[in-house]
Amino acid sequence: EVVMTQSPVTLSVSPGERATLFCRASQSITSSVAWYQQKPGLAPRLLIYGVSTRATGVPPRFSGSGSGTEFTLTIDSLQSEDFAVYFCQQYHDWLGTFGQGTKLEIK
Amino acid sequence: QMQLQESGPGLVKPSETLSLTCSVSGYSVNSGYYWGWIRQPPGKGLEWIGSISHDGDTYYNVSLQSRLTLSLDTSKNQFSLKLGSVSASDTAIYFCAAGILRNARFDPWGQGTQVIVSS
Repeated sequence: EVVMTQSPVTLSVSPGERATLFCRASQSITSSVAWYQQKPGLAPRLLIYGVSTRATGVPPRFSGSGSGTEFTLTIDSLQSEDFAVYFCQQYHDWLGTFGQGTKLEIK
Repeated sequence: QMQLQESGPGLVKPSETLSLTCSVSGYSVNSGYYWGWIRQPPGKGLEWIGSISHDGDTYYNVSLQSRLTLSLDTSKNQFSLKLGSVSASDTAIYFCAAGILRNARFDPWGQGTQVIVSS
């Protein structure tokens, strides 16, 4: 089973600044990683897949990078609606395991 | 615009079977996609439960497959989950979602339904 470890658990950033979220896989997952955003009481929303491809309707301030075992989600010029929990997911193996999430909060 | 909506009992007794249905609007379930179930235990992360393809092939999380059955009802444009022999560890919010892959790239999702396993 591929274990996905996200860091930090909580990230405090001011609006207008950049946020950088990390996800580490326990083994190489090539480019099979996706990122989701979840706001309180709502379902997750797909942001990024294939490391860096934005899903339909996702603003360009969201970008993904990485390869192998280390992946990053960067959010430029944070807007109020971006403060949420973010999950990474690998789909290199059958289980499609998710990370435990990073809570992005307003500083 | 495709929309998904979960339905089912919010409370299930231990050892019984959890049954949930996901109704799809704006898209025919037999036209494409993998129709997936994902759950989120209280305060925890997400777990892929399983998916069924538009033509009825099923894909299960190995940790759940002995208790899990997914089905597709094209006449009602729905898909369903049955999870047997439930215990407290099955307490979670259950989401249905449309996936490009059998276990990933889910978009959109339903709003989720809370299921509590308790006597």
